Amino acid sequence: QKEVEQNSGPLSVPEGAIASLNCTYSDRGSQSFFWYRQYSGKSPELIMSIYSNGDKEDGRFTAQLNKASQYVSLLIRDSQPSDSATYLCAVRSGYSTLTFGKGTMLLVSP
Amino acid sequence: SQTIHQWPATLVQPVGSPLSLECTVEGTSNPNLYWYRQAAGRGLQLLFYSVGIGQISSEVPQNLSASRPQDRQFILSSKKLLLSDSGFYLCAWSSAGEASWQYFGPGTRLTVT
Repeated sequence: QKEVEQNSGPLSVPEGAIASLNCTYSDRGSQSFFWYRQYSGKSPELIMSIYSNGDKEDGRFTAQLNKASQYVSLLIRDSQPSDSATYLCAVRSGYSTLTFGKGTMLLVSP
Repeated sequence: SQTIHQWPATLVQPVGSPLSLECTVEGTSNPNLYWYRQAAGRGLQLLFYSVGIGQISSEVPQNLSASRPQDRQFILSSKKLLLSDSGFYLCAWSSAGEASWQYFGPGTRLTVT
């Protein structure tokens, strides 16, 4: 059974701070990792993907992957109230379907 | 660019009634298609996926079924709805390939009364 674990939160950070969202996965053979953002009542939208160990930066977002520790994280710099949403971690092993975590709710206070 | 449509956006149905939700994708060919359900306070549950016309894989045995009559059309159906079928139904597509991203449609919010 492939599992993806996330702290449900909420994670509360003040505006301008760095938000750190974490995810662990059980399948050591996992190859592709994705972060989605889901606003309340809306469908998930893709933020970033990462496939290799290390950091990948895109604007205010940085994804970090450590395959040895089976750990993926998403850092959001200069957090804004508009970043308040649930963040879903998703993992794919080979050509299989995605396995999603239940998501972490992020609240950014002005 | 690619666009994914779902309808209806919201639906209220009585227990025991049939269901048909439709999803279409524009701007791509031979996509992989997926149906998910997200119940209140729960994660995304993959229901069905399809890698081609007439090819359907079921992830969770239940009273739902899926069909793919055309390359870019994916339909979710039920003959008799249960209260437990209430939720947010999401269709998604991806291109083939290990690293391909998966994009979601706007979703259908179903309430079974």
